Amino acid sequence: GQQVMQIPQYQHVQEGEDFTTYCNSSTTLSNIQWYKQRPGGHPVFLIQLVKSGEVKKQKRLTFQFGEAKKNSSLHITATQTTDVGTYFCAGLISLKGGATNKLIFGTGTLLAVQP
Amino acid sequence: SAVISQKPSRDICQRGTSLTIQCQVDSQVTMMFWYRQQPGQSLTLIATANQGSEATYESGFVIDKFPISRPNLTFSTLTVSNMSPEDSSIYLCSVAGDTTLLQETQYFGPGTRLLVL
Repeated sequence: GQQVMQIPQYQHVQEGEDFTTYCNSSTTLSNIQWYKQRPGGHPVFLIQLVKSGEVKKQKRLTFQFGEAKKNSSLHITATQTTDVGTYFCAGLISLKGGATNKLIFGTGTLLAVQP
Repeated sequence: SAVISQKPSRDICQRGTSLTIQCQVDSQVTMMFWYRQQPGQSLTLIATANQGSEATYESGFVIDKFPISRPNLTFSTLTVSNMSPEDSSIYLCSVAGDTTLLQETQYFGPGTRLLVL
């Protein structure tokens, strides 16, 4: 079945260091979405990328969608303690035959930031 | 985006019992979903709650174990039936984005933390 893998599973950084998580799909995606889940919280939508090769920025966060629309990355510049949480990518897969498109969540990357 | 509430926020239950989780949205939404998130894991879609018809279940999830109701466009319930410790998890409802651009994105409720003893 369709799978969306993320690496690394866990990353521990010092505050001020950069962080990157990578997302890889076994299937071509219609779009890629990113969500953040704080410890004890629920996933919160961050951004959606649709076009091949698209790059979007939100302050210190840079999101990229691969040319083949099968991978994506999230890069955080100069991490802060407020960046702590699990980052999930989620790939939208178009299903044939009029079936509802399917959103597959990645395995997630847990980011810990040491002050 | 829609404001989503869930009840209960957490519960501790005995094995063999059932728990019904409620999800309320402050506006009418077409698509509502139920997810399970086991500790330290990703989100797994249980089913899509369809208004006025039976829910659409994902592989590995069946109606007898997870009956779902969707009586209107703002409310849904998920029941976890005949619970076992393996059902201990966070259960999340979500709704699809409310604009054409974001209709494939999802907004999550705060979740229900379930522990089965």
